[in-house]
Amino acid sequence: DTGVSQNPRHKITKRGQNVTFRCDPISEHNRLYWYRQTLGQGPEFLTYFQNEAQLEKSRLLSDRFSAERPKGSFSTLEIQRTEQGDSAMYLCASRAPGEGNQPQHFGDGTRLSIL
Amino acid sequence: KQEVTQIPAALSVPEGENLVLNCSFTDSAIYNLQWFRQDPGKGLTSLLLIQSSQREQTSGRLNASLDKSSGRSTLYIAASQPGDSATYLCAVSSGANSKLTFGKGITLSVRP
Repeated sequence: DTGVSQNPRHKITKRGQNVTFRCDPISEHNRLYWYRQTLGQGPEFLTYFQNEAQLEKSRLLSDRFSAERPKGSFSTLEIQRTEQGDSAMYLCASRAPGEGNQPQHFGDGTRLSIL
Repeated sequence: KQEVTQIPAALSVPEGENLVLNCSFTDSAIYNLQWFRQDPGKGLTSLLLIQSSQREQTSGRLNASLDKSSGRSTLYIAASQPGDSATYLCAVSSGANSKLTFGKGITLSVRP
């Protein structure tokens, strides 16, 4: 169990640029979640995958945001035409299969700063 | 819509003190509740998960309780240490695969 891995750890970019983040879940975890956390707040849900299927999206996920999990393993989150308000920590979590009470395991996040 | 509240936002205690962190939620129809720890600039570390049918869970110096009907959970930390200084977040889930809804967290500082 190597944990959830997120890359890059930090991203600084100018307003209007596109950015892409990657999340590698714990091996054999078929559930994958993206959250966004701003300073002083708890994480807010963005989207959820079960295997390669995107099953739920938050209204926070505007048209500029897109997430994929093409082979049911790693996932990418892309933000197009970044805005100042996109500055946040983007967290990925994964969960083992099954209907039982398995916890979500989080990565260390990607911190995005928009200049 | 589920809302999770954690009060106070910050807490400072001397080393060795036993302490209780509170969490409340508005919709009692939860599937489980998780407590997390977050160090500055880091992700979340899962501490304890309580199923909706359970009343408490323990891990080392940590004990979490759940009163689903009143919409409350507490995290008890025994014999606090400076290394316990972090932000503690609680989160609830409404289903097995559901998203987590988080509180804003309580930033704990344990003074040597």
